[in-house]
Amino acid sequence: QVQLVQSGAEVKKPGASVKVSCKASGYTFNSYYMHWVRQAPGQGLEWMGIINPSGDGTSYAQKFQGRVTLTRDTSTSTVYMELSSLRSDDTAVFYCVRDGFDFWGQGTLVTVSS
Amino acid sequence: QAVVTQEPSVTVSPGGTVTLTCGSSTGAVTSGHYPYWFQQKPGQAPRTLIYDTSTKHSWTPARFSGSLLGGKAALTLSGAQPEDEAEYSCLLSYSSGWVFGGGTKLTVL
Repeated sequence: QVQLVQSGAEVKKPGASVKVSCKASGYTFNSYYMHWVRQAPGQGLEWMGIINPSGDGTSYAQKFQGRVTLTRDTSTSTVYMELSSLRSDDTAVFYCVRDGFDFWGQGTLVTVSS
Repeated sequence: QAVVTQEPSVTVSPGGTVTLTCGSSTGAVTSGHYPYWFQQKPGQAPRTLIYDTSTKHSWTPARFSGSLLGGKAALTLSGAQPEDEAEYSCLLSYSSGWVFGGGTKLTVL
């Protein structure tokens, strides 16, 4: 069965960076792009970007351009989302989502606080 | 970037029918936006109900359906159940990427 397992919760200080991982299993990793979605507390969903696991091509939402980097490690079927220059309003749950939006990771809470 | 709009909150009676809509600031929503609909309950990850305007997943209850209506994407719930109380979000595809709507809180009361 398809599973996307994300890394655990993080607490970061303003200005720092965070890197969240998403390990895929149960399907051919290279066959599906992977999205990242952010959800601030009590707020809606925000699409952040997408990565092609087979070619490492990426596309980012304009809002996150320059601050987010998506990478992948095909040897471990893992994709990573790194967000830099963190601010308090970056406090949110981050989800990895298989293309087609059919399978979601469990979410990773990132708290930004001084 | 485009803005995708949804009703902030809607109430439906148990057993009733309700339609949620999803509009685009760029004009009419078409099948080319590949509309998605998600259901999210507190503390849970979203679950996809509808993709490509009207296609259901195997886990989508039959009482949910998707369509295009009056230049918007629409999610219709026929025969609302108490367990349908949740946040519903739509997602549209643009040349610049994907954009979520702000979500609709559906109350079954």
